[in-house]
Amino acid sequence: EVQLVESGGGLVQPGGSLRLSCAASGFTFSSYWMHWVRQAPGKGLVWVSRINSDGSSTSYADSVKGRFTISRDNAKNTLYLQMNSLRAEDTAVYYCAREGYYYDSSGYYYVSGFYWGQGTLVTVSS
Amino acid sequence: DIQLTQSPSFLSASVGDRVTITCRASQGISSYLAWYQQKPGKAPKLLIYAASTLQSGVPSRFSGSGSGTEFTLTISSLQPEDFATYYCQQLNSYSFTFGPGTKVDIK
Repeated sequence: EVQLVESGGGLVQPGGSLRLSCAASGFTFSSYWMHWVRQAPGKGLVWVSRINSDGSSTSYADSVKGRFTISRDNAKNTLYLQMNSLRAEDTAVYYCAREGYYYDSSGYYYVSGFYWGQGTLVTVSS
Repeated sequence: DIQLTQSPSFLSASVGDRVTITCRASQGISSYLAWYQQKPGKAPKLLIYAASTLQSGVPSRFSGSGSGTEFTLTISSLQPEDFATYYCQQLNSYSFTFGPGTKVDIK
């Protein structure tokens, strides 16, 4: 069974930093691209960042580019999100997510959707 | 970036009702669309992928259709456990955009 457990959330002042972790189990972590998605209180889902299976390629939403860094340690089955220069608008539940895949008749694969952890709350406030 | 819109934003329905939610993309995304259900305080749950394929374990009252820019999620007979917020997500580009959500409430 796929399990993703986030940790590291909490209250931080504007301008501060926080590092989120996501411990993965129940699957071969090193084979999957991983993502962070956030949800501000009472709002919708917003994709934040993604990293490929070996950590060599990353991408970010414009709203966090230059402030957040996604990384992974495949030996520890753990995904990270380093968040710097935090702003009030970064307040949200942060979800770690794993890609799911499906295959066509040619054996080519596509992303089906995301499998999610339970989330960790980050509150940026003075 | 590809933008997604959903309609309606909110709908009030009764148990047993047939419910349809629409998701529109700002440009063609073929069938690279997923639907999720989210209940308060919980993580989203994948319902449908590739626009119309039911995720394993999801009840058959849920169905999806569409391709290109217009997609629908249908619940054929609404059950008490289906009252939740539903999101679409495009998987055509690396922005992995989500729609703004449709909240299904009890009439």
